[in-house]
Amino acid sequence: DTAVSQTPKYLVTQMGNDKSIKCEQNLGHDTMYWYKQDSKKFLKIMFSYNNKELIINETVPNRFSPKSPDKAHLNLHINSLELGDSAVYFCASSPWAGGETQYFGPGTRLLVL
Amino acid sequence: DAKTTQPNSMESNEEEPVHLPCNHSTISGTDYIHWYRQLPSQGPEYVIHGLTSNVNNRMASLAIAEDRKSSTLILHRATLRDAAVYYCILRRDSGAGSYQLTFGKGTKLSVIP
Repeated sequence: DTAVSQTPKYLVTQMGNDKSIKCEQNLGHDTMYWYKQDSKKFLKIMFSYNNKELIINETVPNRFSPKSPDKAHLNLHINSLELGDSAVYFCASSPWAGGETQYFGPGTRLLVL
Repeated sequence: DAKTTQPNSMESNEEEPVHLPCNHSTISGTDYIHWYRQLPSQGPEYVIHGLTSNVNNRMASLAIAEDRKSSTLILHRATLRDAAVYYCILRRDSGAGSYQLTFGKGTKLSVIP
C-alpha cells in the first residue's frame, strides 16, 4: 500500500504553461508538506498544511499555490512556469504539526523547457 | 536557522559498521536532532531522532555528544541498500506547534561490496 503518493511522476512542459501536481496520503495524518529539491540536490520546504489550514509558507513566488481540499490531499498548482521551476517536488505528511516523523512521497520530476 | 556540518561523502565496506558524523555547534536546548536518508531517485526516509540521550531503533543508533554540539549516526552493518545521502537535521519549532526540517547537503554514503 502506498502511504504518500504523487501524480504525475514526471512532468515535461513549456515555459508559461500552468500545471498541477497532486499528492495524497492514506496514513490518516493531519499535516502535509511540499518540498522542492533543486539541481544541486538542496531540499527546501515550501508549504505546510495542518487540517487543511496553511501553517508554513516559505518565501515562494506567488505563482505557486497549494490547495488542500481535505486533509488527505495537498495539491500544488504552478502558474506561468519558468525554467527555474525545474526540480523534483516532494510531498510529505506527518501525524500532526509537531509530529516527529515525516513520510515522503516518491517525488514529481518537473522539467520546464 | 541552526546549521549542521557533515562530510560530503564517505565509503564503507559491506557488512562493516559505519559512523556518520554531524556537527551542530549552534544547537539550541530545544532542537531535536533528526536523521533522514535519501536513496537514489526516492524521497527522503526517516532514520532516527533524539534530543539528549543516545537512541537505538531497528535501522540505526544515534550517539549524541554530552554538549550536544555533535552527533553520530551508526549503521551497525552496512548493506548495499544503505547506499544513500544521509541528512543530519536540527528540528526547529516554527510556532503553533509546527516544525520544519531544514535539509543541508548531507553525506553521500557509498557501500563497497
